Amino acid sequence: GAVVSQHPSRVICKSGTSVKIECRSLDFQATTMFWYRQFPKKSLMLMATSNEGSKATYEQGVEKDKFLINHASLTLSTLTVTSAHPEDSSFYICSASRGAGGGEQYFGPGTRLTVT
Amino acid sequence: GEDVEQSLFLSVREGDSSVINCTYTDSSSTYLYWYKQEPGAGLQLLTYIFSNMDMKQDQRLTVLLNKKDKHLSLRIADTQTGDSAIYFCAETNTGGFKTIFGAGTRLFVKA
Repeated sequence: GAVVSQHPSRVICKSGTSVKIECRSLDFQATTMFWYRQFPKKSLMLMATSNEGSKATYEQGVEKDKFLINHASLTLSTLTVTSAHPEDSSFYICSASRGAGGGEQYFGPGTRLTVT
Repeated sequence: GEDVEQSLFLSVREGDSSVINCTYTDSSSTYLYWYKQEPGAGLQLLTYIFSNMDMKQDQRLTVLLNKKDKHLSLRIADTQTGDSAIYFCAETNTGGFKTIFGAGTRLFVKA
């Protein structure tokens, strides 16, 4: 149990376009979902925390108008990178938690975004 | 703010034990975790320990926690080539709303 999927696994887009990444908890209800960005050889940087039905809480330095997060249901959260630029190229990973906090998180396989 | 630190690389021979170390600064840490990340993949939870425990063993994995020194270690017995990956140490504080990750230790297992 506790499987989290992400779609797409890889995406290439042109500068100025928007890209949507989906994160789904397949066999449990996720009260909280997290979005991380991982730079090469670096740790995960938490971008935002989202709870179903409420606005996401963004970490300091993360532009909420650029990285739109929608937690539409207890099994789905989406991250939309708007007006993407090459510097947005990265590995984006979501995780989901049954509880309201960041206790045990189940991670998706990640999405590799390349902006050309 | 809270910080979690790990050494970046570890190289061992197949069959030897691996010990990956981690230090953290948050004295209110409640849960401490070890995650494994294989190339191009997300993170897989390996094991976790509550802050009121000193040790936890799970098959080839042994976690040791020294709360006084804020030091956490992961020992992998009989390390195999399939254990080659990046291992992340992470902690969640009492509030439980945020998990802080270390930068990850890249484990190389030589055949």
